[in-house]
This record gives sequence, structure tokens and C-alpha cells, in this order.
Amino acid sequence: AQSVTQLDSQVPVFEEAPVELRCNYSSSVSVYLFWYVQYPNQGLQLLLKYLSGSTLVKGINGFEAEFNKSQTSFHLRKPSVHISDTAEYFCAVSDQLRGDDKIIFGKGTRLHILP
Amino acid sequence: GAGVSQSPSNKVTEKGKDVELRCDPISGHTALYWYRQSLGQGLEFLIYFQGNSAPDKSGLPSDRFSAERTGGSVSTLTIQRTQQEDSAVYLCASSIGRGVGSYEQYFGPGTRLTVT
Repeated sequence: AQSVTQLDSQVPVFEEAPVELRCNYSSSVSVYLFWYVQYPNQGLQLLLKYLSGSTLVKGINGFEAEFNKSQTSFHLRKPSVHISDTAEYFCAVSDQLRGDDKIIFGKGTRLHILP
Repeated sequence: GAGVSQSPSNKVTEKGKDVELRCDPISGHTALYWYRQSLGQGLEFLIYFQGNSAPDKSGLPSDRFSAERTGGSVSTLTIQRTQQEDSAVYLCASSIGRGVGSYEQYFGPGTRLTVT
């Protein structure tokens, strides 16, 4: 079964510093990959997604992620974080070949922005 | 336009009682999903409705959990004889069509269920 591992449950980062949130998924021939963000007391919002093509995906709010098939990773990055980026970030994967529209989520990484 | 709404936002119930959680998807969205978000556990898929097709119930954790979707719109998740381990945030999402690669899922704010 497909699974997603987010290696860090919490990541503290100083404001204006760069950040990388790590995500690895179990191997599959073809996958869709997603990053969602959940701001405090709000629902999940799609940040970016990888379907095919270019391995570098750009999303909203200056975030980007790189799909690495050989390492089965999809790490999320931002060159300079802001206090407003404080949120929980979820990596997710869907198996294209199953075609069952199921998205498997990781356990989340809580990003703390330090002033 | 209006997003996905869920009610109630918070529900406290005693162990053994039944609860009903409601989801109003975005108008016109044919696909509807229920997830459970437990503390430190991420999101767990529960059930998926697509149009008039039979729902995918493969994520329901026990036969105490059931869901229905009336008229292809509003959905109700019912938990019978609640247990303390049912305490979680229950999230609903909808999308305009089938295919997670094609259609974004829009999430509601969730219902926080606490079983005492």
C-alpha cells in the first residue's frame, strides 16, 4: 500500500530564513504528489501538485517542490519564510494506476516561524 | 462563492452516544470525501462518493461508521456508539469531478469531535 513519510513533525525556522520540509513516499510506478497547507483553525488548502513533466513545481505563496523519482522524495522549499507561513504542512500521494482517487496523506509537519 | 461547509464545528458527546456530522459541498461538485484527522496522525481517508456510483467505503474503520449522500449533495457521517478513540477532527472535501490529478479537492473547516 502507498504510504507517505514526513520526517519532521515540527520545524522551527527564523523569519526570512530558508526552509525545507521533507517528504518521502513508498515506491510506485506513477504517482501524483501534493502539498497541502493548514493554517490555524482553517481547512486544508492545496499548495502545489506534481502530475507529470517538469520535476520542479511552483506553488502559491512562494513555495516550490522538487519531485525526485530515484529517491522517491517530494521535498517542499521556500527561500525566505514569513510569519504568515506558520501552519501545518501535509505531503500527500495518489497512485495513478489505481485510479481510485484516493489521496494518502503524511502525518504533517508543523512549521514554526521564529521572530 | 461559498466553500465547503461543515456542521457542527465542535461536538462533545458521551461515550456510547450516536453522532451525526454534516457536510455541504460546493454546489455542482460531484465528488465528496470524508477524512479523519487525529492528533499527530495526519489525515485518514474514510469514504468517497462520486455522482451516482456506489461509494468507496474502504476507509471506514468499523461498522459503527456510516455515511450517506442525499440527492448528490449534502452528506452525513454517522458514528454509532461512539468511543473515545473516535475523538478527532472530521474533514469533508469536494471536487468538481473524478480524478485527483485533474480536479482539486476543496476542504471544509472540519468538525472537532470529542468523546468523553
